[in-house]
Amino acid sequence: ILNVEQSPQSLHVQEGDSTNFTCSFPSSNFYALHWYRWETAKSPEALFVMTLNGDEKKKGRISATLNTKEGYSYLYIKGSQPEDSATYLCAFIRGGSNYKLTFGKGTLLTVNP
Amino acid sequence: DAGITQSPRYKITETGRQVTLMCHQTWSHSYMFWYRQDLGHGLRLIYYSAAADITDKGEVPDGYVVSRSKTENFPLTLESATRSQTSVYFCASSELHDGYTFGSGTRLTVV
Repeated sequence: ILNVEQSPQSLHVQEGDSTNFTCSFPSSNFYALHWYRWETAKSPEALFVMTLNGDEKKKGRISATLNTKEGYSYLYIKGSQPEDSATYLCAFIRGGSNYKLTFGKGTLLTVNP
Repeated sequence: DAGITQSPRYKITETGRQVTLMCHQTWSHSYMFWYRQDLGHGLRLIYYSAAADITDKGEVPDGYVVSRSKTENFPLTLESATRSQTSVYFCASSELHDGYTFGSGTRLTVV
């Protein structure tokens, strides 16, 4: 069983604050790392698919970095807004696993207005 | 409409009954997956399929059966439902190198 760990488990910030979360995963046999955003009562939605060491991806105020050699990825949100409140999931694909994602348990972000 | 649809959205069944959850996608994605979401465990993979007629077990396959006779459909059957199978079930599809697209989920209660 692969271990994909996310921290913190939950986070409360004020509107306008910038924040970041961590995802750690096995550094051997890396294939890809995904980030998803999951709002309450909805389905997870893909944010980023990251495959190369040193990758940086950005979508609006959200960005992510990847370090495959040490097995971690950071997700950053700049100037958090209440609509950013959601659970952020990272998920790891091991090489040779037939594109199966193993998910972390997520970081629950609450942005207070 | 293009997309991935799951049915039913909600289901209550009795212990020991057979239940089938349906998943249909319109993109002809090669990969399809079934996950269950439980408090404290997050999303855990039940079964997956890399193409029509190719399926394999995930992390928690016991008590479940899948089939994929057509690319667009990936039904999940609980052969004899147990209370421990009360959960929210998500189907997803993907192509290689893409993010997964998830269905809206099926909330199953086994009484």
